[in-house]
Amino acid sequence: SQKIEQNSEALNIQEGKTATLTCNYTNYSPAYLQWYRQDPGRGPVFLLLIRENEKEKRKERLKVTFDTTLKQSLFHITASQPADSATYLCALGGFQKLVFGTGTRLLVSP
Amino acid sequence: EAGVVQSPRYKIIEKKQPVAFWCNPISGHNTLYWYLQNLGQGPELLIRYENEEAVDDSQLPKDRFSAERLKGVDSTLKIQPAELGDSAVYLCASSLGLAASSYNEQFFGPGTRLTVL
Repeated sequence: SQKIEQNSEALNIQEGKTATLTCNYTNYSPAYLQWYRQDPGRGPVFLLLIRENEKEKRKERLKVTFDTTLKQSLFHITASQPADSATYLCALGGFQKLVFGTGTRLLVSP
Repeated sequence: EAGVVQSPRYKIIEKKQPVAFWCNPISGHNTLYWYLQNLGQGPELLIRYENEEAVDDSQLPKDRFSAERLKGVDSTLKIQPAELGDSAVYLCASSLGLAASSYNEQFFGPGTRLTVL
């Protein structure tokens, strides 16, 4: 069966450092992958999309890589800020359907 | 532009009681999704609508859950009767749909937190 793995342990980093979150998957060949941010008590908010034929995407301080051979996506936040503290979800997509991972909580301390 | 609207935000009911959640998607969004999210987990799809048609309801427990989107705009998700295990956050999302793109981002509402006692 399809499996999406994100680090269940919270990632604690200091302000200014680069945060790197990992999304691994098995038994799936997604057409694209999306990353969402979720704050407590709120719905997920879309951040970035990367297609299966793309290796890397950037948006401001965010960078996503997608390795379909390793079946892995890495999500980077450079120059992290306390306001970046949230849960980050990866979602694998195909045929208008998204399958979400469990999310990784990021804590950025001043 | 208004986002996805959901109501109520919170609901506490006794087990075996019925409950209904309402969602109004972003104007012009043809695709509407209902998700269930348990604590510490990602959203899990319950049902997806393209306009008024339910095109993917394979994960909807049809013995107690039902949904409708009669005019292809707002939608209602119902549970009858509720069980203790139904306690979760119910999220509604919308997207432009296939007519616009195959890679649509989804816009989520704030969710309804259901507690079944």
